[in-house]
Amino acid sequence: GAVVSQHPSWVICKSGTSVKIECRSLDFQATTMFWYRQFPKQSLMLMATSNEGSKATYEQGVEKDKFLINHASLTLSTLTVTSAHPEDSSFYICSAAGKGTYNSPLHFGNGTRLTVT
Amino acid sequence: AQKITQTQPGMFVQEKEAVTLDCTYDTSDPSYGLFWYKQPSSGEMIFLIYQGSYDQQNATEGRYSLNFQKARKSANLVISASQLGDSAMYFCAMREGGRDDKIIFGKGTRLHILP
Repeated sequence: GAVVSQHPSWVICKSGTSVKIECRSLDFQATTMFWYRQFPKQSLMLMATSNEGSKATYEQGVEKDKFLINHASLTLSTLTVTSAHPEDSSFYICSAAGKGTYNSPLHFGNGTRLTVT
Repeated sequence: AQKITQTQPGMFVQEKEAVTLDCTYDTSDPSYGLFWYKQPSSGEMIFLIYQGSYDQQNATEGRYSLNFQKARKSANLVISASQLGDSAMYFCAMREGGRDDKIIFGKGTRLHILP
């Protein structure tokens, strides 16, 4: 099956620093990648949708200057949490979709647990 | 308005019993897909089963089956012969065919299998 690799799996950083999370589709071309955030014991909240070669579309309430998304190729999307603060601590998970339709499941990375101290 | 509703925040089931996890959805798009994902405590999202809006038969994948009732807009997940390893969070999700590719998740149901 399709494989999505997300790196790092966990990161601890100091307040004020920036953190980059990578999401790679290993065996298919991901025309669209999605970034989710998940707080403990809650559901996945979609942050943004990124299409290769174009600007990401952010969901309402998500700060685009805080969460920079780049989808430079068909196999790689990155999420950069800029000037991270303790309230940004969360589980971030990406998913990727090939050139399919609504009947294609999304395949997820294993997630990144971010802790900001 | 919530598009995916999972009314059971938590469930406790005895090992080897069957369990049904409820999911209702709301959409005006005639083309849509319904998915169930399992999320163990390690965090990864594991795809379990898919049902398309035009599918005539209920989807099955091993011990998982999807009880699709289109008129009622429900897509319940049935796990037969539950195992201890089934203890996890389960999310129902929908992907609409109309506008974009994004997938919307319900709030999830935490399933505990008791030995």
